[in-house]
Amino acid sequence: GNSVTQMEGPVTLSEEAFLTINCTYTATGYPSLFWYVQYPGEGLQLLLKATKADDKGSNKGFEATYRKETTSFHLEKGSVQVSDSAVYFCALRRTDKLIFGTGTRLQVFP
Amino acid sequence: DTGVSQDPRHKITKRGQNVTFRCDPISEHNRLYWYRQTLGQGPEFLTYFQNEAQLEKSRLLSDRFSAERPKGSFSTLEIQRTEQGDSAMYLCASSRTSGSIDEQFFGPGTRLTVL
Repeated sequence: GNSVTQMEGPVTLSEEAFLTINCTYTATGYPSLFWYVQYPGEGLQLLLKATKADDKGSNKGFEATYRKETTSFHLEKGSVQVSDSAVYFCALRRTDKLIFGTGTRLQVFP
Repeated sequence: DTGVSQDPRHKITKRGQNVTFRCDPISEHNRLYWYRQTLGQGPEFLTYFQNEAQLEKSRLLSDRFSAERPKGSFSTLEIQRTEQGDSAMYLCASSRTSGSIDEQFFGPGTRLTVL
Protein backbone atom coordinates (compact mmCIF):
# COMPACT_ATOMS: atom_id res chain seq x y z
CA GLY A 1 0.00 0.00 0.00
CA ASN A 2 0.92 3.67 0.11
CA SER A 3 2.77 4.95 3.16
CA VAL A 4 5.22 7.54 4.40
CA THR A 5 7.96 7.00 6.97
CA GLN A 6 9.63 9.89 8.77
CA MET A 7 12.49 10.01 11.21
CA GLU A 8 11.35 10.19 14.78
CA GLY A 9 11.77 13.34 16.78
CA PRO A 10 12.23 15.48 18.52
CA VAL A 11 15.10 16.96 16.58
CA THR A 12 16.89 19.48 18.77
CA LEU A 13 19.24 22.00 17.18
CA SER A 14 20.97 25.24 17.98
CA GLU A 15 20.18 28.29 15.90
CA GLU A 16 22.05 28.40 12.57
CA ALA A 17 22.63 24.63 12.55
CA PHE A 18 22.00 22.51 9.46
CA LEU A 19 18.73 20.56 9.40
CA THR A 20 17.85 17.28 7.75
CA ILE A 21 14.57 15.46 8.37
CA ASN A 22 14.42 12.14 6.57
CA CYS A 23 11.33 10.98 4.70
CA THR A 24 10.87 7.85 2.60
CA TYR A 25 7.74 6.64 0.91
CA THR A 26 6.13 3.52 -0.49
CA ALA A 27 3.71 3.98 -3.34
CA THR A 28 2.59 2.59 -6.64
CA GLY A 29 3.51 4.83 -9.51
CA TYR A 30 4.89 8.30 -8.96
CA PRO A 31 2.94 10.28 -6.40
CA SER A 32 3.30 13.97 -5.70
CA LEU A 33 5.23 14.67 -2.50
CA PHE A 34 4.76 17.39 0.08
CA TRP A 35 6.12 18.80 3.29
CA TYR A 36 3.61 20.43 5.62
CA VAL A 37 4.46 22.37 8.78
CA GLN A 38 2.38 22.87 11.91
CA TYR A 39 3.44 25.76 14.13
CA PRO A 40 2.27 25.71 17.75
CA GLY A 41 -1.42 26.51 17.98
CA GLU A 42 -1.87 26.76 14.21
CA GLY A 43 -3.22 24.60 11.40
CA LEU A 44 -1.18 22.65 8.87
CA GLN A 45 0.49 24.76 6.20
CA LEU A 46 2.03 23.60 2.96
CA LEU A 47 5.77 24.23 3.08
CA LEU A 48 6.87 22.83 -0.29
CA LYS A 49 6.01 20.24 -2.89
CA ALA A 50 7.42 18.25 -5.82
CA THR A 51 5.37 16.54 -8.48
CA LYS A 52 7.87 14.39 -10.37
CA ALA A 53 11.24 12.70 -10.02
CA ASP A 54 14.24 15.01 -9.59
CA ASP A 55 11.99 18.01 -8.88
CA LYS A 56 13.24 20.22 -6.06
CA GLY A 57 10.69 21.99 -3.92
CA SER A 58 11.83 25.03 -1.96
CA ASN A 59 10.34 27.66 0.32
CA LYS A 60 11.55 29.85 3.20
CA GLY A 61 15.06 28.40 2.93
CA PHE A 62 13.82 24.80 3.11
CA GLU A 63 14.47 22.37 0.24
CA ALA A 64 13.54 18.80 -0.63
CA THR A 65 14.35 16.79 -3.75
CA TYR A 66 12.13 14.01 -5.12
CA ARG A 67 14.45 10.99 -5.38
CA LYS A 68 12.77 8.15 -7.24
CA GLU A 69 15.71 5.77 -6.97
CA THR A 70 15.74 5.95 -3.16
CA THR A 71 12.01 6.75 -2.78
CA SER A 72 12.95 9.67 -0.56
CA PHE A 73 12.04 13.32 -0.06
CA HIS A 74 14.32 14.55 2.72
CA LEU A 75 13.79 18.07 4.08
CA GLU A 76 16.87 20.29 4.50
CA LYS A 77 17.67 23.79 5.62
CA GLY A 78 21.11 25.28 5.80
CA SER A 79 20.61 27.49 8.86
CA VAL A 80 17.63 27.04 11.16
CA GLN A 81 16.07 29.76 13.27
CA VAL A 82 14.17 29.62 16.54
CA SER A 83 11.04 30.49 14.56
CA ASP A 84 11.38 27.21 12.61
CA SER A 85 10.40 25.27 15.75
CA ALA A 86 7.34 23.28 14.70
CA VAL A 87 6.14 19.82 13.69
CA TYR A 88 6.97 18.83 10.11
CA PHE A 89 4.92 16.29 8.17
CA CYS A 90 5.94 14.54 4.99
CA ALA A 91 3.04 13.47 2.77
CA LEU A 92 2.27 11.89 -0.56
CA ARG A 93 -0.79 12.39 -2.71
CA ARG A 94 -2.56 9.42 -4.24
CA THR A 95 -5.75 10.01 -6.18
CA ASP A 96 -7.14 12.98 -4.31
CA LYS A 97 -6.12 12.37 -0.73
CA LEU A 98 -2.97 13.03 1.25
CA ILE A 99 -1.17 10.27 3.15
CA PHE A 100 0.95 11.66 5.96
CA GLY A 101 3.90 10.47 7.97
CA THR A 102 3.80 10.62 11.75
CA GLY A 103 5.50 14.01 11.93
CA THR A 104 8.84 15.18 13.28
CA ARG A 105 9.05 17.81 15.97
CA LEU A 106 11.87 20.32 15.53
CA GLN A 107 13.06 22.37 18.47
CA VAL A 108 15.57 25.14 17.80
CA PHE A 109 17.29 26.83 20.71
CA PRO A 110 19.07 30.20 20.60
CA ASP B 1 -9.58 36.04 7.55
CA THR B 2 -10.73 34.06 4.51
CA GLY B 3 -9.11 30.76 5.40
CA VAL B 4 -10.77 27.46 6.33
CA SER B 5 -12.71 27.76 9.57
CA GLN B 6 -13.95 25.03 11.89
CA ASP B 7 -16.44 25.10 14.71
CA PRO B 8 -16.23 24.33 17.55
CA ARG B 9 -12.51 24.39 18.24
CA HIS B 10 -12.92 22.13 21.24
CA LYS B 11 -15.62 19.65 22.21
CA ILE B 12 -15.83 17.53 25.34
CA THR B 13 -18.56 14.93 25.43
CA LYS B 14 -19.54 11.82 27.29
CA ARG B 15 -19.37 8.38 25.73
CA GLY B 16 -22.53 7.56 23.87
CA GLN B 17 -23.44 11.14 22.98
CA ASN B 18 -23.68 12.46 19.43
CA VAL B 19 -21.50 15.34 18.24
CA THR B 20 -21.48 17.45 15.10
CA PHE B 21 -18.65 19.55 13.70
CA ARG B 22 -18.80 22.21 11.04
CA CYS B 23 -16.28 23.24 8.43
CA ASP B 24 -16.45 26.36 6.25
CA PRO B 25 -14.01 26.10 3.33
CA ILE B 26 -12.39 28.90 1.39
CA SER B 27 -15.24 30.32 -0.64
CA GLU B 28 -14.12 29.50 -4.17
CA HIS B 29 -12.92 25.99 -3.29
CA ASN B 30 -14.98 23.13 -4.67
CA ARG B 31 -13.26 20.29 -2.81
CA LEU B 32 -13.54 19.67 0.92
CA TYR B 33 -11.68 17.02 2.91
CA TRP B 34 -11.96 15.62 6.42
CA TYR B 35 -8.97 14.11 8.23
CA ARG B 36 -8.47 12.78 11.75
CA GLN B 37 -5.28 13.22 13.74
CA THR B 38 -4.53 11.37 16.96
CA LEU B 39 -1.76 12.32 19.35
CA GLY B 40 1.68 11.69 17.92
CA GLN B 41 0.36 10.67 14.51
CA GLY B 42 -0.08 12.33 11.19
CA PRO B 43 -3.52 13.18 9.84
CA GLU B 44 -5.49 10.26 8.36
CA PHE B 45 -7.92 10.74 5.51
CA LEU B 46 -11.61 10.20 6.30
CA THR B 47 -13.62 11.46 3.35
CA TYR B 48 -13.88 14.17 0.72
CA PHE B 49 -16.42 16.05 -1.36
CA GLN B 50 -16.36 17.67 -4.73
CA ASN B 51 -19.12 20.25 -4.59
CA GLU B 52 -21.97 18.40 -2.85
CA ALA B 53 -20.95 14.90 -3.95
CA GLN B 54 -19.11 12.67 -1.50
CA LEU B 55 -16.55 10.97 -3.72
CA GLU B 56 -14.55 8.78 -1.35
CA LYS B 57 -14.81 7.43 2.17
CA SER B 58 -12.03 5.75 4.13
CA ARG B 59 -12.46 2.43 5.87
CA LEU B 60 -11.77 4.46 9.02
CA LEU B 61 -15.20 6.03 8.62
CA SER B 62 -17.41 3.60 10.50
CA ASP B 63 -21.20 3.57 10.31
CA ARG B 64 -21.30 5.94 13.28
CA PHE B 65 -19.71 8.68 11.19
CA SER B 66 -21.56 10.67 8.58
CA ALA B 67 -20.50 13.70 6.60
CA GLU B 68 -22.56 16.02 4.46
CA ARG B 69 -22.03 19.01 2.22
CA PRO B 70 -25.59 19.78 1.17
CA LYS B 71 -25.09 22.92 -0.89
CA GLY B 72 -21.50 22.43 -1.88
CA SER B 73 -20.31 25.04 0.60
CA PHE B 74 -19.93 24.21 4.31
CA SER B 75 -19.74 20.63 5.54
CA THR B 76 -20.73 18.84 8.73
CA LEU B 77 -19.23 15.72 10.28
CA GLU B 78 -21.42 13.89 12.75
CA ILE B 79 -20.31 11.13 15.09
CA GLN B 80 -23.08 9.12 16.70
CA ARG B 81 -22.72 7.16 19.94
CA THR B 82 -19.22 8.47 20.55
CA GLU B 83 -16.56 6.17 21.95
CA GLN B 84 -13.35 7.01 23.78
CA GLY B 85 -11.41 5.93 20.71
CA ASP B 86 -13.01 8.79 18.78
CA SER B 87 -10.98 11.29 20.80
CA ALA B 88 -8.81 13.09 18.26
CA MET B 89 -8.31 16.30 16.32
CA TYR B 90 -10.65 16.49 13.33
CA LEU B 91 -9.19 18.52 10.50
CA CYS B 92 -10.93 20.01 7.52
CA ALA B 93 -9.18 21.08 4.34
CA SER B 94 -10.33 22.60 1.08
CA SER B 95 -8.90 22.99 -2.39
CA ARG B 96 -9.78 24.21 -5.85
CA THR B 97 -9.31 21.80 -8.69
CA SER B 98 -7.23 23.16 -11.52
CA GLY B 99 -4.81 21.92 -14.15
CA SER B 100 -1.99 21.60 -11.64
CA ILE B 101 -1.79 19.80 -8.33
CA ASP B 102 -4.30 21.52 -6.08
CA GLU B 103 -3.02 22.62 -2.69
CA GLN B 104 -5.13 21.62 0.29
CA PHE B 105 -5.58 24.43 2.81
CA PHE B 106 -6.22 23.22 6.34
CA GLY B 107 -8.38 24.64 9.07
CA PRO B 108 -7.32 24.84 12.74
CA GLY B 109 -9.17 21.66 13.64
CA THR B 110 -11.76 20.59 16.20
CA ARG B 111 -10.35 18.75 19.19
CA LEU B 112 -12.77 16.11 20.46
CA THR B 113 -12.43 14.56 23.90
CA VAL B 114 -14.74 11.68 24.77
CA LEU B 115 -14.95 10.96 28.48
